[in-house]
Amino acid sequence: AQKVTQAQTEISVVEKEDVTLDCVYETRDTTYYLFWYKQPPSGELVFLIRRNSFDEQNEISGRYSWNFQKSTSSFNFTITASQVVDSAVYFCALSSGGGADGLTFGKGTHLIIQP
Amino acid sequence: KAGVTQTPRYLIKTRGQQVTLSCSPISGHRSVSWYQQTPGQGLQFLFEYFSETQRNKGNFPGRFSGRQFSNSRSEMNVSTLELGDSALYLCASSLRGVATDTQYFGPGTRLTVL
Repeated sequence: AQKVTQAQTEISVVEKEDVTLDCVYETRDTTYYLFWYKQPPSGELVFLIRRNSFDEQNEISGRYSWNFQKSTSSFNFTITASQVVDSAVYFCALSSGGGADGLTFGKGTHLIIQP
Repeated sequence: KAGVTQTPRYLIKTRGQQVTLSCSPISGHRSVSWYQQTPGQGLQFLFEYFSETQRNKGNFPGRFSGRQFSNSRSEMNVSTLELGDSALYLCASSLRGVATDTQYFGPGTRLTVL
């Protein structure tokens, strides 16, 4: 069975602060894919990034960066110089086992950026 | 390209009724997956369809069913609605399937069961 844990239920920071969202995953498969999605109040899940298990390179996209560490089964997400528009619920997700369980999501982290 | 579309966006039903939700994938995508999102259980996988065949299924009762048409559009049906079926139902599409590809989500259908 696969599992994703996002221990931070809610994070509140002041605008321009950096913030890191934690994600820990469990799977017995050697081939798997990790994702981050953003869910604004409108409800639609917006895709942010996809990583496969063989690519541990960190990635940076503008103010967003991701740190993938297989040794600790973590795939953390950092927002630099946060903005009010970053306020949303962020989900980490895992796909493994040939997709038999679809995407397994964490419970999400509600990020609040205060002006 | 147009994104994933779902209709209707909102639905109100009463217990015991049935409901059909519709999803149109991104053009060229052959896989459609459905997810249920509730405050208590979070996001849970319902099923995946690929080329009109159900390929994977989550742990939901048989009241939840789906189908996919030759144009990749998909419908899901919930029969004998229960209060606990109130949720946001999200549809996602991808080129080849949930096993390897990124899932792109629609805006969802919010179902309220009274």
